[in-house]
Amino acid sequence: DSGVTQTPKHLITATGQRVTLRCSPRSGDLSVYWYQQSLDQGLQFLIQYYNGEERAKGNILERFSAQQFPDLHSELNLSSLELGDSALYFCASSAPSTGPNTGELFFGEGSRLTVL
Amino acid sequence: AQTVTQSQPEMSVQEAETVTLSCTYDTSESDYYLFWYKQPPSRQMILVIRQEAYKQQNATENRFSVNFQKAAKSFSLKISDSQLGDAAMYFCAFGFTGNQFYFGTGTSLTVIP
Repeated sequence: DSGVTQTPKHLITATGQRVTLRCSPRSGDLSVYWYQQSLDQGLQFLIQYYNGEERAKGNILERFSAQQFPDLHSELNLSSLELGDSALYFCASSAPSTGPNTGELFFGEGSRLTVL
Repeated sequence: AQTVTQSQPEMSVQEAETVTLSCTYDTSESDYYLFWYKQPPSRQMILVIRQEAYKQQNATENRFSVNFQKAAKSFSLKISDSQLGDAAMYFCAFGFTGNQFYFGTGTSLTVIP
């Protein structure tokens, strides 16, 4: 168990709809990352937050948005969904505020989104 | 630009044999971490091994070891005594605490019984 919790684990929706994916980072981790992984593809970096502020942005579509809240949990909002948005969305966390820092990314189990 | 290159999209190894997965990267930074992550069919991302760039000694974790060549920006993964459970996609990555991480495109490893 990485300590990173993602909900929901599975989500099926229709084109044009909007969904919200939620991530609770490992206790004390300040940084949250979102990645998209389509079938048989690599990890596409979407966005990173550090202690509530956006720190880095990758190939995130304008239809997608994210935020990190004061309690450090994060949400990824996907709107006007298209068939091509079907993918596994990973949240990861790092940068502990206390204790040893191993430098690694801790991944959640992912939210599997299917757009029909 | 920060990049990670895994030049072997697919590799295969006989059970109990040894295989080496290649990874090169590019960064102008001097202090960073390097990782190998494993993604089995369950698609969970599992850390295999990590290396601090300032350490010259190569990291080892049981049957997994790395060959870290900082000047050459090379970070290969050696799997000894390969097991069926090692079959997975392997991603090489480097990153900086609190900042961005960079991943390669992955190497799909097949273990032949």
